[in-house]
Amino acid sequence: TQLLEQSPQFLSIQEGENLTVYCNSSSVFSSLQWYRQEPGEGPVLLVTVVTGGEVKKLKRLTFQFGDARKDSSLHITAAQPGDTGLYLCAAVQGNSGGSNYKLTFGKGTLLTVNP
Amino acid sequence: NAGVTQTPKFQVLKTGQSMTLQCAQDMNHNSMYWYRQDPGMGLRLIYYSASEGTTDKGEVPNGYNVSRLNKREFSLRLESAAPSQTSVYFCASRLQWAPSEQFFGPGTRLTVL
Repeated sequence: TQLLEQSPQFLSIQEGENLTVYCNSSSVFSSLQWYRQEPGEGPVLLVTVVTGGEVKKLKRLTFQFGDARKDSSLHITAAQPGDTGLYLCAAVQGNSGGSNYKLTFGKGTLLTVNP
Repeated sequence: NAGVTQTPKFQVLKTGQSMTLQCAQDMNHNSMYWYRQDPGMGLRLIYYSASEGTTDKGEVPNGYNVSRLNKREFSLRLESAAPSQTSVYFCASRLQWAPSEQFFGPGTRLTVL
């Protein structure tokens, strides 16, 4: 089982600030996903990164996959109160069509953006 | 489409009682998963079913059993509940041969006294 370390565990910032959340492991990932979870709801997929060095942008969110495919980061520019939530990274194990496909989640970063 | 639905939303049990958590999806997905989420622990995989007729253990299967009733439904059973099983339980599904998004249900909050 791959161990995923997410940091920071908690983050409280003011509206308009920038922030970065990290997801690290000693293992190499085939791919990695970022999910966002709001209180009382299930996680929702934000992005999947597959290629080492890959950068994906989703409006104010920028996701980066490390060159060695052992780490990833999520950067939010000009955070808004609507960005508040739990951000989870998840390492993909197995092949998409295989019977052993599953996700291993990090412990999450709880982000609070204050107005 | 309702997506992934879970029942009940909340449940309180006494130690030793049994119950079944129900999960259904209407997206024609092949694979289904059960997770538990505890404070500061992220989501941990309990059991999964890659396709109808198959089930496999995840990271924390002890104390649980599952049934893949048909392609739509995947249930999780606690035979003799323990306080350590107090948690929020999430069911998820995905289309086996597609890029790998998992779709999650709204969760069941279970308290065992």
